[in-house]
Amino acid sequence: EIVLTQSPATLSLSPGEGATLSCRASQSVSYYLGWYQQKPGQAPRLLIYDVSKRAPGIPARFSGSGSGTDFTLTISSLEPEDFAVYYCQHRINWPHTFGQGTKVEI
Amino acid sequence: QVQVVESGGGVVQPGRSLRLSCAASGFTFRSHGMHWVRQAPSKALEWVAVIWDDGINKYYADSVKGRFTISRDNSKSTAYLQMDSLRAEDTAVYYCARMGLAGYLDYWGQGTLVTVSS
Repeated sequence: EIVLTQSPATLSLSPGEGATLSCRASQSVSYYLGWYQQKPGQAPRLLIYDVSKRAPGIPARFSGSGSGTDFTLTISSLEPEDFAVYYCQHRINWPHTFGQGTKVEI
Repeated sequence: QVQVVESGGGVVQPGRSLRLSCAASGFTFRSHGMHWVRQAPSKALEWVAVIWDDGINKYYADSVKGRFTISRDNSKSTAYLQMDSLRAEDTAVYYCARMGLAGYLDYWGQGTLVTVSS
């Protein structure tokens, strides 16, 4: 199965700063890579699909990039509601594994 | 509006069984695949299983293969996860999610907690 490795495990930032989260795949997932946000006590929410496409209702400050094995989620300027855990997930083959998550904390 | 609601969680002894349900509304259920994803306490998300819209194609994580069975009843807009031979390591919140936007999980339920303990 494809292993997704996210880094860093924790990112400590202040509101207004930019955030760069990384997701590396153990083999190519082409462009079949998505990002989810999860806040404490809540279900995950789809942010980005197919590397760079924003899901409906997702603010423009969230953007994704990359291809093959290396991917990045960028939050241009952190809002208070953006402090959460972020997971990447591939869907090129089964199982559709998730990364271990990056926590963005204040 | 799209809603996905899980139920059936609880405390169960190791080796016993439990069936989770996922009731969907607000969309054409028979046109969408459905996933189960779990999250052990303070751990990452773990994809568990998927069933296609027609109920024929199914895939499982290796960790549950042979013990868990996913199914659906399109007439009831409900998906199920039959969990047999439960182990302590199956303790988690189990989420049901719709296979939607480009094949990703675009709507999630709030989850149901399964605790496997003697």
